[in-house]
Amino acid sequence: GAVVSQHPSWVICKSGTSVKIECRSLDFQATTMFWYRQFPKQSLMLMATSNEGSKATYEQGVEKDKFLINHASLTLSTLTVTSAHPEDSSFYICSAIRQGAGGYTFGSGTRLTVV
Amino acid sequence: TQLLEQSPQFLSIQEGENLTVYCNSSSVFSSLQWYRQEPGEGPVLLVTVVTGGEVKKLKRLTFQFGDARKDSSLHITAAQPGDTGLYLCALSGSARQLTFGSGTQLTVLP
Repeated sequence: GAVVSQHPSWVICKSGTSVKIECRSLDFQATTMFWYRQFPKQSLMLMATSNEGSKATYEQGVEKDKFLINHASLTLSTLTVTSAHPEDSSFYICSAIRQGAGGYTFGSGTRLTVV
Repeated sequence: TQLLEQSPQFLSIQEGENLTVYCNSSSVFSSLQWYRQEPGEGPVLLVTVVTGGEVKKLKRLTFQFGDARKDSSLHITAAQPGDTGLYLCALSGSARQLTFGSGTQLTVLP
């Protein structure tokens, strides 16, 4: 159990366009999901905490108007990178916590390349 | 400043060798987790250490939590190419978010 599906696994988009990444908990309800960004050869950096039915909490330095997060249900959170630029190219990973208790389960990540 | 500093940052060794990865903080933490991440994948939890001085073993991996709960180590015995990956320590914050260490990229050569 405790599977998190992330889609797409990779995407290439043109500069100036928007890209939506989905994070779904397949077999459990997740009141809280997290979004991380990882540049090559670096660690994961937390971007935002997404709580079902409320606004996301963004980490310092992360533009909330550029990285739109929606957590409309207990099994789905989406991250939309708006007006993407080449510097937004990165590996984006979500994680989810099972409602009530439990550890973290990570998605398999999305490789975004902006050309 | 990284809350959790890992060393070494990169490590390349031959199959069969032993190695130790360190995770240090200036702050005391209640628990710490170790993850392994392979390219193109999300991190996978290896272990959670909670008690100061605690030692946990997972096959050829030995995890230790410092007595003062400010540092931790991961020791791998007789490393194999399948151990190659990015090893990350992490601690949980007040909002249950994870803060990751700077990471150690391990390459085990056959």
